[in-house]
Amino acid sequence: RKEVEQDPGPFNVPEGATVAFNCTYSNSASQSFFWYRQDCRKEPKLLMSVYSSGNEDGRFTAQLNRASQYISLLIRDSKLSDSATYLCVVNRNQAGTALIFGKGTTLSVSS
Amino acid sequence: DTGVSQDPRHKITKRGQNVTFRCDPISEHNRLYWYRQTLGQGPEFLTYFQNEAQLEKSRLLSDRFSAERPKGSFSTLEIQRTEQGDSAMYLCASSSKTSGGVPDTQYFGPGTRLTVL
Repeated sequence: RKEVEQDPGPFNVPEGATVAFNCTYSNSASQSFFWYRQDCRKEPKLLMSVYSSGNEDGRFTAQLNRASQYISLLIRDSKLSDSATYLCVVNRNQAGTALIFGKGTTLSVSS
Repeated sequence: DTGVSQDPRHKITKRGQNVTFRCDPISEHNRLYWYRQTLGQGPEFLTYFQNEAQLEKSRLLSDRFSAERPKGSFSTLEIQRTEQGDSAMYLCASSSKTSGGVPDTQYFGPGTRLTVL
């Protein structure tokens, strides 16, 4: 079993739609959590960190449930520019070291 | 540009040859990471440096792979006797030490795409 598992995707949605991505992680000792975005043939870029209390950044909302070892990302009012692969990421150590990535979920937003 | 840079961006080599990649982190960052990404997969951790010390290595880092960061600034990743299975994107990331329990953010370079023929 992979340490970080995501919805297989792809997700194909129209502009303006709301879309949710789910992710589970197996290591209960994981300390920090992130969503990264990766455009085709580009490097991953941090979208947002995920905190236990949940956090929002504009149209993006991230939730963490430590008891269920579950992370989610909600995108409201999807834009064409949101089309990308979204990577769920955990870090076992709060102070750094290896990031463990999921395979990613591809989102395609169409007009 | 003050981001992470990597060189070369693309490398095509024949099986059995040695290749070396370079990564220049963001200047004030003391932590440097190497990852490998194959098509359809997320990046996989290879190794981590804090300053010049290599503190963590993945089991993925076979004895054909070696990484260095001699002066705590740029890093090199060498692959000896390349195999077709080494074909991948090699990503470098850097971060700086944080305080107060805030997780540090890893910033990625554009990657070196290796093709082994």
